[in-house]
Amino acid sequence: DAKTTQPTSMDCAEGRAANLPCNHSTISGNEYVYWYRQIHSQGPQYIIHGLKNNETNEMASLIITEDRKSSTLILPHATLRDTAVYYCIVRVAHAVIQGAQKLVFGQGTRLTINP
Amino acid sequence: GAGVSQSPSNKVTEKGKDVELRCDPISGHTALYWYRQSLGQGLEFLIYFQGNSAPDKSGLPSDRFSAERTGGSVSTLTIQRTQQEDSAVYLCASSLEWDRAFSNSPLHFGNGTRLTVT
Repeated sequence: DAKTTQPTSMDCAEGRAANLPCNHSTISGNEYVYWYRQIHSQGPQYIIHGLKNNETNEMASLIITEDRKSSTLILPHATLRDTAVYYCIVRVAHAVIQGAQKLVFGQGTRLTINP
Repeated sequence: GAGVSQSPSNKVTEKGKDVELRCDPISGHTALYWYRQSLGQGLEFLIYFQGNSAPDKSGLPSDRFSAERTGGSVSTLTIQRTQQEDSAVYLCASSLEWDRAFSNSPLHFGNGTRLTVT
């Protein structure tokens, strides 16, 4: 299973861009990179996902390196409400049943946005 | 509703009692997942449903845990003879059906049921 490595914590000033790195050096060719975040007392919230190309939506941008061994989640203008734990996840395929997949969550990065 | 709904939001039970937790997935989502999260910890996978069948039960911690899904929609997670170590937030997620290749379908989570076993 492809695993991910993220910094334990990061700080960012309000209004600045928050850049959250993730290493996934063992990712295989067809595995997607997903980002979720979890704000205290809530379920994880889907942010964005990608395979090879950079992706952008209303929440964030995802930059994936050409070799796919790392990626960066960018929150372009961080607000205090973006304070959360951010999880970078590689979608794991079940070893036996094709198509049966689950998200394997690591410890994530605790991002604190400071006023 | 528009999102995944879980009930109850909070449950306090005495050790040894049975509990049932309910999950209503997003309409049309055929895949359903149960996770749990202990205080200050990451998410632990429990079980996954595709339709009404559960091809992946690998995360269920003991035979006291079981889950079912009926009509391809609502799912219940049952914990029998609860123990204090079962105290956690139990999260449900759903996603659309996927193709034969690796999935391109995000999971959408509910806000969980906080279970406290006293």
